[in-house]
Amino acid sequence: GESVGLHLPTLSVQEGDNSIINCAYSNSASDYFIWYKQESGKGPQFIIDIRSNMDKRQGQRVTVLLNKTVKHLSLQIAATQPGDSAVYFCAEDSSGSARQLTFGSGTQLTVLP
Amino acid sequence: KAGVTQTPRYLIKTRGQQVTLSCSPISGHRSVSWYQQTPGQGLQFLFEYFSETQRNKGNFPGRFSGRQFSNSRSEMNVSTLELGDSALYLCASSLQTGGGYEQYFGPGTRLTVT
Repeated sequence: GESVGLHLPTLSVQEGDNSIINCAYSNSASDYFIWYKQESGKGPQFIIDIRSNMDKRQGQRVTVLLNKTVKHLSLQIAATQPGDSAVYFCAEDSSGSARQLTFGSGTQLTVLP
Repeated sequence: KAGVTQTPRYLIKTRGQQVTLSCSPISGHRSVSWYQQTPGQGLQFLFEYFSETQRNKGNFPGRFSGRQFSNSRSEMNVSTLELGDSALYLCASSLQTGGGYEQYFGPGTRLTVT
């Protein structure tokens, strides 16, 4: 079956540096993508989303890039802070009106002091 | 505004038993989705309810079922529990909007089957 996967399971960055988390998806019918952050003991927290008719979207300190040609999604975090340490998931939705997300396996981001 | 709440937070059951988990969505949210999270399989979609109707279902056996009430609160039930059902069960609610949507997740119910 088609799935969403992540290139790297772990990522360590220095505090203040920029982080880039990558995600590959295989379902070309997906039209909506979301990045979530999950801290230990908590549910996933919405970070930013992007629709397939866009290739870039910016939020506060975060930017999501979508490359439909190579089916690649990335999350950029500017000036990474210790509070950014968490597992980051990308998710895709190809279900249309229903809320059915297919999640990637996650990347553990560790921010070093 | 209160977030998504799930009860109970922790649960220990024995193989063969059944369990019911509860989810209260954010006020005004009519869509409730359920996910199972395990270290081996990650986050997997179980089902989604909107206005008391199941709109979509993931690839889980019939032992997994759910329902939604008129106040949008939702329950999921797992019958004849197996060891492999041990997981974090997450509920998420969202507004029904025409464009993109934000799913807000609850803290989850940690189910341990022994």
